[in-house]
Amino acid sequence: QKEVEQNSGPLSVPEGAIASLNCTYSDRGSQSFFWYRQYSGKSPELIMFIYSNGDKEDGRFTAQLNKASQYVSLLIRDSQPSDSATYLCAGFSGGYQKVTFGTGTKLQVIP
Amino acid sequence: NAGVTQTPKFQVLKTGQSMTLQCAQDMNHNSMYWYRQDPGMGLRLIYYSASEGTTDKGEVPNGYNVSRLNKREFSLRLESAAPSQTSVYFCASSESKGGSYEQYFGPGTRLTVT
Repeated sequence: QKEVEQNSGPLSVPEGAIASLNCTYSDRGSQSFFWYRQYSGKSPELIMFIYSNGDKEDGRFTAQLNKASQYVSLLIRDSQPSDSATYLCAGFSGGYQKVTFGTGTKLQVIP
Repeated sequence: NAGVTQTPKFQVLKTGQSMTLQCAQDMNHNSMYWYRQDPGMGLRLIYYSASEGTTDKGEVPNGYNVSRLNKREFSLRLESAAPSQTSVYFCASSESKGGSYEQYFGPGTRLTVT
């Protein structure tokens, strides 16, 4: 079992809607997380880093971390067709500086 | 400020050949990483280096070696390439910043082993 699990999708949402992407983790050593966006054929782009329980907002993106339930999510408000990409969740073990990724969720925003 | 650079961008090897993938970062980051990405498998950690002078195995280290040459450079070597090593290889670096962390990726190397 991978340490970080994501539904591969695709997740389809209409333009302007809220897209909700989820990630669960099994390694309690991973107490903080990165969210990345990756367009086809490109390298991952950092969206956000979250380490505290609760919400963290950056523009149209909100990351949510629930350590008791071992899940982390990413909400994208006012989704745009340009948000169509694969979204990667990664667990970060600060003590070891180790970063491990889920397999990613493909998001399709329909105009 | 180039961020993370990787060379080469593309490479074709025959089975049994060796090669070294080069990675450099100019962000003064302490930690560096090598990943491979295969369809449906996501990014899998091969090796990482938490700081200059240290390296550790990730999820899929077999068939690879690494060298953290200095703070800027982290190379990945395939001693005897196999078709199973056909993949896209990404280098990344990370650092704490203002109580948070950032990790940035290079553009990737597409490797084909025939």
